[in-house]
Amino acid sequence: GQQVMQIPQYQHVQEGEDFTTYCNSSTTLSNIQWYKQRPGGHPVFLIQLVKSGEVKKQKRLTFQFGEAKKNSSLHITATQTTDVGTYFCAGDNYGQNFVFGPGTRLSVLP
Amino acid sequence: EAQVTQNPRYLITVTGKKLTVTCSQNMNHEYMSWYRQDPGLGLRQIYYSMNVEVTDKGDVPEGYKVSRKEKRNFPLILESPSPNQTSLYFCASSLSTGYGNQPQHFGDGTRLSIL
Repeated sequence: GQQVMQIPQYQHVQEGEDFTTYCNSSTTLSNIQWYKQRPGGHPVFLIQLVKSGEVKKQKRLTFQFGEAKKNSSLHITATQTTDVGTYFCAGDNYGQNFVFGPGTRLSVLP
Repeated sequence: EAQVTQNPRYLITVTGKKLTVTCSQNMNHEYMSWYRQDPGLGLRQIYYSMNVEVTDKGDVPEGYKVSRKEKRNFPLILESPSPNQTSLYFCASSLSTGYGNQPQHFGDGTRLSIL
């Protein structure tokens, strides 16, 4: 079945440093979504990417979808303590199933 | 306010005692889903429903049942809970799924402990 992997599993950064998490799927995806889960909270939708090679920005966050639609990345510029949480990617295999990656837990030291 | 509501938020129970976790959404969403979250494993889908009376197994359906008799409700049933079902459970809904996937809205979660 479809598998979605994320690296790294954990990342500790100093406030102000950049952060990147990578998402890789074993199959081609129709689209990919990114979610953020704060400690003790529930996943919250951040963005959806649909087109091959697509790049979207939300303030300090930059999301990319690979040309082959099998990988994606989330980059945060100049992290802040409010960025703390676990970031999940989730891929849709053309309607057959919807799979979340294991997540990357980000810690930001002030 | 648009939301997904789960109850209870916390439950400690014993092996074999049937329990139901309720989930309700007020957004008229067609798609609903249950996930369990365990450390290091992320969110794993248990069951999902494309619409009323339509349910399908996710990746980890063993030991669980669901029903979708009304569009707004999607209860998760553990007929005979076992300790390996101790986990954090999330219900989610979206306008639709499949090609042209829609964002999923999550409930606040239910923490189940099976002793």
